[in-house]
Parts: sequence; structure tokens; C-alpha cells
Amino acid sequence: EAGVVQSPRYKIIEKKQPVAFWCNPISGHNTLYWYLQNLGQGPELLIRYENEEAVDDSQLPKDRFSAERLKGVDSTLKIQPAELGDSAVYLCASSFVMGGEQFFGPGTRLTVL
Amino acid sequence: AQKVTQAQTEISVVEKEDVTLDCVYETRDTTYYLFWYKQPPSGELVFLIRRNSFDEQNEISGRYSWNFQKSTSSFNFTITASQVVDSAVYFCALSEAGGAQKLVFGQGTRLTINP
Repeated sequence: EAGVVQSPRYKIIEKKQPVAFWCNPISGHNTLYWYLQNLGQGPELLIRYENEEAVDDSQLPKDRFSAERLKGVDSTLKIQPAELGDSAVYLCASSFVMGGEQFFGPGTRLTVL
Repeated sequence: AQKVTQAQTEISVVEKEDVTLDCVYETRDTTYYLFWYKQPPSGELVFLIRRNSFDEQNEISGRYSWNFQKSTSSFNFTITASQVVDSAVYFCALSEAGGAQKLVFGQGTRLTINP
């Protein structure tokens, strides 16, 4: 069974540029999560989807971050414009049911110069 | 508010030694879940265990064991006869049973097993 797929694995951009990350969850998993992991820290939830609906986006900085999961399968997280402080690893996770164990992808390491 | 504390930032031991990673949590919920994840250098978080707040039985899986003590709000993780492949960052996490379902992670413990 394929795991959670994320792309790209690494991204380097100049500040003020836009960037997008893509996530394909495990087949059949209805719940999808985006986490932010700063260096030396544990992941922090940005947004959670139940199918197409964003049910918890309270931690998403909505002035520059946006996310979508149009068909209830894969998802895109966008930052526009990126700032130096956005340099981090962006992790995607999925679970079969709400509250079930979450399976994580390898993450996208973003460097903003 | 929920909070997870992993006081040990880094641990270094010699192969075959036993090592215990500490985790202390705070929550006002009576029903919650506790987790341990392993993050190897590749970056992917690997699920190790999930424990329901009503189940205080200790669990053993091969060289891994977990000690859940509600009285001290702790969920410690022990690796017996450590191996170099156990080197990774280990995260303890907490989630409430209903509502947000988000995982609240500790800061992680970097474990290095030296040959």
C-alpha cells in the first residue's frame, strides 16, 4: 500500500515569491492534515480536512496561507507571498477516520532566502 | 489547553543499553489519546503506538515498551537493548477524543545510539 505522497521534497525560493505544496493521502483516508514543523520542534497543525471540508483551520495564517482539497482526495497548500520565517518542513498526514492514527508523508522542506 | 513536555532534548547511549524517553502531558479532557512517533533522518514521522486514556496497561512490542501512568500524567517509552537503527527523533503526542482531533506534539527527544 502506498503511503502519503508529498511533492516537492525540497523547495528554495526568494522571499515574497509564491510557493505551493502538494499532498496525496493514503487511498481511502478521508481526513487530511497539514502540519508545520520548525527546526527542533514538534509539528503543529495548520489545517484539517474531512473530505473536502476544512473543519479546523484556526492555526492557518490566512493572510498569506491558503489550502484546498477540491475533490476530497489530494490537497494543495499555498503560501503567497513567502516570508523568511516560513522556512520549515511542511508535513501532510492522513487518517482513515477522525481520531484514528495519522500516517505522515516525508514532508516538504522549504527554504526562503 | 493541552500540552506535552519532553524534557530530554537529546540522549546519547551506547548500543545495547536500555534507554527511556520521558513524556509528561497536560489535558483537562477525561478521554484522550497518547501517541509516540519516530522521525528518522529521512524526515517521515513513523507511528509507533496509540493509547486510550482508559487503558493504563503497559504495552510491549519487541524491544519497545510503554509505561502509561495517569496518576503522574506520564507516558514513557523504553527501548531495550538499543540498536544504531533506533537513532532518531522521538515525539510524544496527545489528542482529544472528540472535536478537533489534532495532535499536540512535544518538542521531541533526539536519541543517538553509538556503536
